[in-house]
Formats: sequence, structure tokens, C-alpha cells
Amino acid sequence: EVQLVESGGGLVQPGGSLRLSCAASGFIFSGYGMNWVRQAPGKGLESISYIGSSGDTIYYADSVKGRFTISRDNAKNSLYLQMNSLRAEDTAVYYCARQAGALGTWGQGTMVTVSS
Amino acid sequence: EIVLTQSPATLSLSPGERAALSCRASQSISSSLAWYQQKPGQVPRLLIYSASNRAPGIPARFSGSGSGTDFTLTISSLEPEDFAVYYCQQRSGPFGPGTKVDIK
Repeated sequence: EVQLVESGGGLVQPGGSLRLSCAASGFIFSGYGMNWVRQAPGKGLESISYIGSSGDTIYYADSVKGRFTISRDNAKNSLYLQMNSLRAEDTAVYYCARQAGALGTWGQGTMVTVSS
Repeated sequence: EIVLTQSPATLSLSPGERAALSCRASQSISSSLAWYQQKPGQVPRLLIYSASNRAPGIPARFSGSGSGTDFTLTISSLEPEDFAVYYCQQRSGPFGPGTKVDIK
């Protein structure tokens, strides 16, 4: 079964850092580009970062550029999102999603709350 | 940067009616458009990829059309489980703001 499981969310103070992880199973992880998508409470979906299958292609939304870093470890079947200088507006559910033409597989999400 | 606009913001229909949801791109994106459905408290689900291809397991009442800048998601006859929010997305890019389909 194809599965993505996010972890690492929680409560963090403004200006703080957090590292999200996404564990993949049931497919050849190194063959797919991966995305992070977030959804603030009561709001729509926001695509924030993409990494190609080998890690050589990376995109960031302007809202997180310079603060967030996407990476992957194909040997560990894992995707990461290092989030620094967090702001209240970063509060959201963060999803990892597999890119295969479109985002056909999503994790259940992990909640990040930025608050003092 | 490409911007996606969806209309209408809310569509109020009855079960059995036909729904037509629009997504417009600020510049041509060829057929690189997907549609997703999201119900409250649930993870988004892929419906359509490459503008007109149904994802595995998606009922035939869902269809997508369009290319370039104008795209449409059509639900031929609404079932009770179809009342949800629908998002379009450019491949590896931004999402539209969503269209909520609610019960009239």
C-alpha cells in the first residue's frame, strides 16, 4: 500500500524552528518528485515546496523562500522540511504529497502552530 | 508567476443537478492542470490530472476539459457525497482559491 506519514509538527514560538518529516512506503520513493502543501485553518491549499526525484530540482513559494528548506533522503525513503524564522501565518496543517502527473497520494498531515 | 482563479466561489445545487466549475490561469499552462476534492476534515483527493484524465477510482460523472488558460470540471449529476470544496492546481504550482459546492 502506498503511504505517506508526516511527523514533527507541534507548537512553536514566533521566530522558532521546526523540522517536518514524511516517511514514504509502498512505492519506489527515489522515482518521484515530492511536494509540501499546507492549509491554514479554514483556508485553501497552498503549495509551498517541490523537490525532484533526485533532489536536483527545488521550488519554493515566495511565502516561504529563504526561511524553509526542502530535502530528501532516498536511502531512508524520507522527505523533510526545515522551517526557520516561523511566523504566526505559518500556522497550518502541512501535507506531503507524491507528484505523479499530479498529487495523487497525500499524507494525513501534521499540524504546526506558531504562537507565543 | 501563474495565478489561478476559480469561479464561482460557491455553487448551490441540488442532488441530481449538473455542476460546472471554472478555473482560469493568468497565462497558458497547456494541459498541466489537476482538480482535487476536499471534504471537511479530510485530505484532498485527486480527481482529474492533465486537464481531462480521471484519476484511478474516480467515478465517470466527474470530467475535466480545457487547455491553455480556461478549464472546467463538470459533475454530470451530483451525488450527496459530492458536496465539498474543489481546487484546481497547476502541475507543481499554485492552487486556485477553491469552489465550494453546497446543497441548495
